[in-house]
Amino acid sequence: GAVVSQHPSRVICKSGTSVKIECRSLDFQATTMFWYRQFPKKSLMLMATSNEGSKATYEQGVEKDKFLINHASLTLSTLTVTSAHPEDSSFYICSAAIGTSGTREQYFGPGTRLTVT
Amino acid sequence: QQPVQSPQAVILREGEDAVINCSSSKALYSVHWYRQKHGEAPVFLMILLKGGEQKGHEKISASFNEKKQQSSLYLTASQLSYSGTYFCGTERGTSYDKVIFGPGTSLSVIP
Repeated sequence: GAVVSQHPSRVICKSGTSVKIECRSLDFQATTMFWYRQFPKKSLMLMATSNEGSKATYEQGVEKDKFLINHASLTLSTLTVTSAHPEDSSFYICSAAIGTSGTREQYFGPGTRLTVT
Repeated sequence: QQPVQSPQAVILREGEDAVINCSSSKALYSVHWYRQKHGEAPVFLMILLKGGEQKGHEKISASFNEKKQQSSLYLTASQLSYSGTYFCGTERGTSYDKVIFGPGTSLSVIP
């Protein structure tokens, strides 16, 4: 089946530093990758949609300068949380989609638990 | 724009059935269902595209009503492994390019 990896699985960083999270589709090429944020016992909040070779589309309220997304290839997308603050602590999940818009199956990475101290 | 899910939570005994509903105020292009276990990533269950469609996956099936504004997920003869949070995700059309997830339904199956 379709496998998506995410690295790191957990990261603790100090306030003011930047953290990069990688999302890779291991056995397929993803037309689109999505980045979500999830708070405890809450739903998945879409942060941005990323297509290879083009700029990411950010959801309303998500700061593009703070959450930098790079989609370098059909198998790799990265999310960099810049100048992290304690309120950025969360569970970040990426997904890689197969298929065309409207019909896509999303395969999720295992998530990254970010803690900012 | 977030779809509405009901119930918020349900507790079942092994072997019992459950229905989880997902509804939208606008017609949808597609509905996706995912299950997430605690501390893990969501796992894709199925996608429905056509009004009136029904799909099955072992003892888990789903329907999409004719007006394409409501979907239900049916879990029959529940097993302990069915425990988790079920999310529906909705897409409004090919030009929207994103899936919006509902708030989730927590399902606990007990012996």
